[in-house]
Parts: sequence; C-alpha cells; structure tokens
Amino acid sequence: AQSVSQHNHHVILSEAASLELGCNYSYGGTVNLFWYVQYPGQHLQLLLKYFSGDPLVKGIKGFEAEFIKSKFSFNLRKPSVQWSDTAEYFCAVRRSNDYKLSFGAGTTVTVRA
Amino acid sequence: SAVISQKPSRDICQRGTSLTIQCQVDSQVTMMFWYRQQPGQSLTLIATANQGSEATYESGFVIDKFPISRPNLTFSTLTVSNMSPEDSSIYLCSVPDNEQFFGPGTRLTVL
Repeated sequence: AQSVSQHNHHVILSEAASLELGCNYSYGGTVNLFWYVQYPGQHLQLLLKYFSGDPLVKGIKGFEAEFIKSKFSFNLRKPSVQWSDTAEYFCAVRRSNDYKLSFGAGTTVTVRA
Repeated sequence: SAVISQKPSRDICQRGTSLTIQCQVDSQVTMMFWYRQQPGQSLTLIATANQGSEATYESGFVIDKFPISRPNLTFSTLTVSNMSPEDSSIYLCSVPDNEQFFGPGTRLTVL
C-alpha cells in the first residue's frame, strides 16, 4: 500500500512569511497528486492537483506546488501567507489507474497576525 | 463537477446504537467512496461502494460494522453499527472524477 508522509505536524508563521509544506509518497508508479485545505469548522477544499505536464502547478489562493518525480515529493508553497491561511493542509495521492486517495497525516498551519 | 450532499450533517448517538448516513450525488457516478476522519487526524478510506455488488472494504474495516448500500448510481448509505465512542468521527462521501469531490461530511459523536 502506498503511504503519504507530511513532514510537519504544526507550523506557526507570521503574516507575510513564506510557507512550504513537505509531502512525500511511497508509490513508484504513475500518480495523481493533490493538496487539500480544511479551514476550521469547514469541509475539505481542493487547493491544487497534479496529473501530468508542467511539474509546477498553481492553485487557488496563491498556492503552488512542485512535483519532483525523482524525490517522490509534492511540496506546497505560498510566498506570503495571510492570517486567513490558518487551516489544516492535507497532501493526498492516488494511483493514476485507481481512484482511491491516500492522505497524509495533515499539517496544521497557524498564521499569527 | 459533482455536487454531493450528506444527511445528517451531524448527530449525537448513544453507544450500542446504529446510524445510517446518506450520500446523494447530483449526477450518475460509477464509484463512490466512504472516508472517515477521526478527531485531529487525517482521512482514512473505509470502503468503495459499488453499484450492483457488495462494497469493497479496506483493511481494518468490515461489513458487519460498516454496512454499505448502493442502490443506484447517485446514492449510497453507510451505516455505523453498534457504535462506541471510538466511532466518533466525521464520515465523508466522495466521488472521483478528474479531481476528487467530497461531501460536506457527517459529524458523529457517540456518547
């Protein structure tokens, strides 16, 4: 079974700081990659996804992620965070021929005003 | 994109009882999934709801505890049986497409 590792359990930042959240997966085949965000009290929302093509993908709210195949990584970045980015962030992976998503443990991001 | 609704949105139940959660999708879909998100944790896949056949369960989940129905291509139910406090979670229905769509979830608290 594939596994998804998120490096940071809790990240605390000040507004305008840059954010990078790490994500690694264990599956060696072709994968689809996702980052989801869950704001306090709300349900999951898709930030961005990667299926193929340009390994640098841009999502909503100024987020981007880079797929590095050789490192089995899909790290999420945002150059300048806002207080409203306080949320739980989940990396998720599925095989390209299978729709079952495997989620990382999640990273809690707290942005201080 | 698929629009998914779930009922109930939340419930508080007594241990030993059962709760059935409904998932309705606004279009016909071949596959539907049920996930669980325990408090402070990530999402775990419970099972795949197959239309016209038995659900396929992931390791650690069994039909007796989480029976699933899939009577048609737009609807599924998940029952949490003989509940204990450890079943307190958010249960989410999901359908795959180009991306993966999730329902709003059912927040279950078992006392």
